[in-house]
Amino acid sequence: AQSVTQPDIHITVSEGASLELRCNYSYGATPYLFWYVQSPGQGLQLLLKYFSGDTLVQGIKGFEAEFKRSQSSFNLRKPSVHWSDAAEYFCAVARTGTASKLTFGTGTRLQVTL
Amino acid sequence: DSGVTQTPKHLITATGQRVTLRCSPRSGDLSVYWYQQSLDQGLQFLIQYYNGEERAKGNILERFSAQQFPDLHSELNLSSLELGDSALYFCASSAHGGRDSYNEQFFGPGTRLTVL
Repeated sequence: AQSVTQPDIHITVSEGASLELRCNYSYGATPYLFWYVQSPGQGLQLLLKYFSGDTLVQGIKGFEAEFKRSQSSFNLRKPSVHWSDAAEYFCAVARTGTASKLTFGTGTRLQVTL
Repeated sequence: DSGVTQTPKHLITATGQRVTLRCSPRSGDLSVYWYQQSLDQGLQFLIQYYNGEERAKGNILERFSAQQFPDLHSELNLSSLELGDSALYFCASSAHGGRDSYNEQFFGPGTRLTVL
């Protein structure tokens, strides 16, 4: 079965600093990969997704992620964090062929200091 | 606003009771998914319905059941509630069933269930 690991439970960055959130997955083939963001009291919003092709994917709100097959990673990055980016971020994976079921990581809570 | 609505927003009940959570998908979406978010288990997929039929099943307890009605809204029924069932329950919808390809899932704001 596929699984997702987000090793950082909580990260604090200063506004304007760069951000990288780590995600490692376990799956026998190339899965579908996603990053979602959850703001307090809100549902989950899709930031970006990777299915195939270019390993660097661009998302909304200035986020990007890079798929590295050799490292089984799909890290999320942003060059300059804004205070409004404070939220919880979830990496998720879906098996190709049964793409409906999302398996989520445990999440990383991002705090932004001014 | 994702277009997915969930009612109620909050629900407080006692152990042993039964509750029903309701989800209305985005207009035109045929698939509905239910997820549970708890401190112990994180975000877990429970079940998916596509156009009224069960399409995929995850870690859903036997005490839980769901259905999707002809108007495509869905209900998640939780019975014989235990303290550990306290969680945030999300509904998501997508255009199609996603059997062979991914269809983006749009999440509702969730229903927070507290079992006392």
